[in-house]
Amino acid sequence: GENVEQHPSTLSVQEGDSAVIKCTYSDSASNYFPWYKQELGKGPQLIIDIRSNVGEKKDQRIAVTLNKTAKHFSLHITETQPEDSAVYFCAVGDSNYQLIWGAGTKLIIKP
Amino acid sequence: GAGVSQSPRYKVAKRGQDVALRCDPISGHVSLFWYQQALGQGPEFLTYFQNEAQLDKSGLPSDRFFAERPEGSVSTLKIQRTQQEDSAVYLCASSLGGLAGEQTQYFGPGTRLLVL
Repeated sequence: GENVEQHPSTLSVQEGDSAVIKCTYSDSASNYFPWYKQELGKGPQLIIDIRSNVGEKKDQRIAVTLNKTAKHFSLHITETQPEDSAVYFCAVGDSNYQLIWGAGTKLIIKP
Repeated sequence: GAGVSQSPRYKVAKRGQDVALRCDPISGHVSLFWYQQALGQGPEFLTYFQNEAQLDKSGLPSDRFFAERPEGSVSTLKIQRTQQEDSAVYLCASSLGGLAGEQTQYFGPGTRLLVL
C-alpha cells in the first residue's frame, strides 16, 4: 500500500523567511496531493492541493511543487507570518477516495 | 451549513461506558469520512460513507466501533465499552463527490474523547 513520509517533523523559521516542507510517497498511481494546516484544537484545513497533471501551483504566499518521477512534493510558504504557526500535513490520494497522511510538521515562526 | 460540525466537542467517559459522537457534514456532500487522530499524529482513516452506504469500514479498530449514516446526511460514530486506548480526537470530514468525484475533504473541529 501507499506510504507517505514527511520531513521535517519540526521547522523553526524567522518571521519573514521562507519555509519548505517535503513529502515522499511510494505509489506511482497516486494522483492527488493536498496540504492541510491544523491549528491547536481545530480540525485540519485544506490550504492548497495539486493533481498529477500539474507540476506547480501557487496561491499568494503558498505554493506546492510536484515531481512525479521522483515521487515527492513540497509545500513552500514565503514571507512567513506568526499566524502561519501550526502543524502542516501532507496527504496522498488516488482515483479512489482514500487519503494517506504524513505524520505532520510543526512549523514555528519566530518573531 | 457553512461547514462540517461535530458534537460534542469534548467528551469524558469512564472506562466501559458507551459514547456517541455526531457529525453534521456540509449540506449536499455525498461522501463522509471518520478519522481518529492520536496526539502528535496525522489522522488515521476509520470508515467511509457514500450517501447512506458504508463502503469501507476497514479502519475501525475493533467491533466496539460502529458508525452509521441512515439518511445520507448526519452520521454517528458509536464506541461501546470504551477503553483508555480509545482516547483521541475523532475527526469527521465530508466531500462533494463520490468515489471518482471531487476529493477535497473538509474537516470538522473534531471531538476530543478522554477515557478515564
